[in-house]
Amino acid sequence: ETGVTQTPRHLVMGMTNKKSLKCEQHLGHNAMYWYKQSAKKPLELMFVYSLEERVENNSVPSRFSPECPNSSHLFLHLHTLQPEDSALYLCASSQVASGYGANVLTFGAGSRLTVL
Amino acid sequence: GQNIDQPTEMTATEGAIVQINCTYQTSGFNGLFWYQQHAGEAPTFLSYNVLDGLEEKGRFSSFLSRSKGYSYLLLKELQMKDSASYLCAVRDSNYQLIWGAGTKLIIKP
Repeated sequence: ETGVTQTPRHLVMGMTNKKSLKCEQHLGHNAMYWYKQSAKKPLELMFVYSLEERVENNSVPSRFSPECPNSSHLFLHLHTLQPEDSALYLCASSQVASGYGANVLTFGAGSRLTVL
Repeated sequence: GQNIDQPTEMTATEGAIVQINCTYQTSGFNGLFWYQQHAGEAPTFLSYNVLDGLEEKGRFSSFLSRSKGYSYLLLKELQMKDSASYLCAVRDSNYQLIWGAGTKLIIKP
């Protein structure tokens, strides 16, 4: 496999369920990201793991928790979600360098989450 | 606050030219990106501008004016496969990406 792979592609869950989204990158990148994409809204950065350091958006509710066991894998654990959390969750990776390069993101196709 | 503005939706005809504008107000500037996203697919990188001027890449070109806080993506010889959303993003002084809401481009035969 090449690029960034996300599973599952579609997920329907109730508000009391616990589920996880998985992301795997095969590009040798050193940074991984979770984004939330809602219709007609800008991409919202949720979490970043860059050079083994986690950076998070303080506005993300605690019902979302990330896990990055190594530089190739990223998880988003979901519990007691709300219907407004329904969205497309995109994983991305990039190669962060010490200079001022473009740091282009490579995205996965996303996990479409529906919370009932 | 920081803000990226781009039109919500545009329609163009196959074979024609379309220009998608992006204006930004951000805390500093360290580059502007354009991504293409087909429905149900991953956003893919199109272009990166950090200096003023036009960057050409095949049928697609991207222009930047830092003094005006303005960029555009120019698509020539439109094809049906160009129907997609186009996302503009600016990297601010903290190297954080600020995203626009995207422009949905509809190509008609």
